[in-house]
Amino acid sequence: AQSVTQLGSHVSVSEGALVLLRCNYSSSVPPYLFWYVQYPNQGLQLLLKYTSAATLVKGINGFEAEFKKSETSFHLTKPSAHMSDAAEYFCAVTRGTGRRALTFGSGTRLQVQP
Amino acid sequence: NAGVTQTPKFQVLKTGQSMTLQCAQDMNHNSMYWYRQDPGMGLRLIYYSASEGTTDKGEVPNGYNVSRLNKREFSLRLESAAPSQTSVYFCASSARQGEWETQYFGPGTRLLVL
Repeated sequence: AQSVTQLGSHVSVSEGALVLLRCNYSSSVPPYLFWYVQYPNQGLQLLLKYTSAATLVKGINGFEAEFKKSETSFHLTKPSAHMSDAAEYFCAVTRGTGRRALTFGSGTRLQVQP
Repeated sequence: NAGVTQTPKFQVLKTGQSMTLQCAQDMNHNSMYWYRQDPGMGLRLIYYSASEGTTDKGEVPNGYNVSRLNKREFSLRLESAAPSQTSVYFCASSARQGEWETQYFGPGTRLLVL
């Protein structure tokens, strides 16, 4: 079975500072991993995904994530936060064989201070 | 392209009432999903449909039924609403039901059961 753990339900950074949102996964098979963003009162939008092609994945809006098998991690980073990055971020993993829908983490709300 | 659309946006029900949440996608996707989002719990899969004519249970199917009306539409029905079903419901679709497939989400339906 697959699962993800997002460390920190709330993260606050200053505008221009590094953004680091943590995600650790548990998987009995090689995982496919995703980061989604949810802006207030909207649905989820894909930021990036890892599908085993490259360990460093670049996404939209300047975000990237690195798959580290030894650490079972897939942390999301952005070098310089913008006010528009304020949102909730979800890490997700596929469920493996059979059911192929996503298993989501509990989410991290990012606040960006001026 | 409208992408994934959901109706209604908001709904208030009394305990025991029934209702159907509608979802439609115009991307010619084969697979569709229903999730619920509760605070601190991320998204949990209720039901999914790998292709037209098929449906299967997800993590939390109790109290819900679904219908894949055609390739475009996937509805979620609450036969007898309970306060525990107060949540935000998201519909999603993907081209195929593969691990690497990106899911596209609708804007959500906020449901309050009194």
